[in-house]
Amino acid sequence: GQQLNQSPQSMFIQEGEDVSMNCTSSSIFNTWLWYKQDPGEGPVLLIALYKAGELTSNGRLTAQFGITRKDSFLNISASIPSDVGIYFCAGVPSNDYKLSFGAGTTVTVRA
Amino acid sequence: DSGVTQTPKHLITATGQRVTLRCSPRSGDLSVYWYQQSLDQGLQFLIQYYNGEERAKGNILERFSAQQFPDLHSELNLSSLELGDSALYFCASSRDTLSEQPQHFGDGTRLSIL
Repeated sequence: GQQLNQSPQSMFIQEGEDVSMNCTSSSIFNTWLWYKQDPGEGPVLLIALYKAGELTSNGRLTAQFGITRKDSFLNISASIPSDVGIYFCAGVPSNDYKLSFGAGTTVTVRA
Repeated sequence: DSGVTQTPKHLITATGQRVTLRCSPRSGDLSVYWYQQSLDQGLQFLIQYYNGEERAKGNILERFSAQQFPDLHSELNLSSLELGDSALYFCASSRDTLSEQPQHFGDGTRLSIL
C-alpha cells in the first residue's frame, strides 16, 4: 500500500488543551479519513474528507484535506480524558482505490 | 456498537494449524473488508468483497483466503499458520463498494499462535 507518514507517533495531553496531528504522503490522495481506536475495540470513523481544501468538523474534532492533496491534519480542541486512544489517518491514493492507514498517533493523558 | 460482529473474539492455536474467522456485516452493508493489525505493521488491508464477489486484494498471503456468502457474512481462512500471523484481524463493512470506505469496524479477532 501507499506510505502514509503520521506524526507525532505519540502525545501526552492535559485536559483542556488543543492537540493536533497530521498525515503526509508523497502521492496525491483523493480521500482522507480519520479513525479513533480505543483499547479492545475496532477503529471508529471520525471524519471523512473528499475534496482538497475541505475543512470538516465533528464536535470538538476538526480535520482538513490539504490543498496539495498530499496531507491532512486533525485537531482536537479542549481535550477531555476520553480523547485518549489511538488516532489513525487513512487515505485513498489517486492511482488506486484501496485504503492505506498511517501508523497511528497514541494520545495519553498527562498525569 | 458498530453493528459488525466478529467471532471468535480470541483464538489460540499452534503453528501449522488452520483457522476460520467469521464476520457479519452491518445490516444493509454489501461490502466487507478484512484487515490485519500487528504491532509492527499497523493496519494492513487484506481483501474486500462486495455482494459476494472479490473486489480488491491487498497484502494477503497465499496461505490466506476469504469468501463472502449469499447472506453477506464473510469468512477469512488462515492456513499453515506461522508465529508471525499472530495479530488482530478486523472486519469492516460499508454499503457501497466505490463511493464509501470502511465505515464500520468490528471489534476484531485476536489470533495468538503458540
